[in-house]
Amino acid sequence: QVQLVESGGGVVQPGRSLRLSCAASGFSFSEYAMHWVRQAPGKGLEWVAAISHDGSNKDYADSVKGRFTISRDISNNTVYLQMDSLRVEDTAMYYCARDGGGNGWYGEDYWGQGTLVTVSS
Amino acid sequence: DIQMTQSPSSLSASVGDRVTITCRASQNINFYLHWYQQRPGKAPRLLIYAASSLQSGVPSRFSGGGSGTDFTLTINNLQPEDFATYYCQQTHSITQTFGQGTRLEIK
Repeated sequence: QVQLVESGGGVVQPGRSLRLSCAASGFSFSEYAMHWVRQAPGKGLEWVAAISHDGSNKDYADSVKGRFTISRDISNNTVYLQMDSLRVEDTAMYYCARDGGGNGWYGEDYWGQGTLVTVSS
Repeated sequence: DIQMTQSPSSLSASVGDRVTITCRASQNINFYLHWYQQRPGKAPRLLIYAASSLQSGVPSRFSGGGSGTDFTLTINNLQPEDFATYYCQQTHSITQTFGQGTRLEIK
């Protein structure tokens, strides 16, 4: 069965960096685009970044562009989110999600359980 | 960015009721509209993709409709496990966006 397991969250000071990981299993990882979506405490969902199946295309929300970098390691079936210059407003639960395919036709069909990032001095 | 507006923001209903949530896009998104359910403390779950297609494993009391800019999610015969928050999402543009959410509460 498809599983996505995020890790790497924690408490970090403003201006510092953190790298999140999402380990995928149960499907052919190299065939699917992947996303990061976050949710601030008590708030709604915000798409953060996406990476194509082969890693050749990456897209970011304006709120994180230039600070966050998405990448993937096909040999380890893992997608990463490198977060630099963190701000208090980046505090959120970060979810990894699989793109269902069809250039967005199928939505995000599998989600991990999330990893919590808290940015605080 | 394409803005997604859901209504209502919250809704009270009883077990067995039928409810409808609407989602409006700020521009034409064709059928690139999906609905998610999120229970407290849990990850979102895909219910409906491409506006009206039921995701595998989702009960048939959930249905979606619409195209272009106006969409609906309808839940028939509400069950206790359906009381949750629902989000619409557009993937027409690369920078996808979500609605603000609709909280469905027990009356």
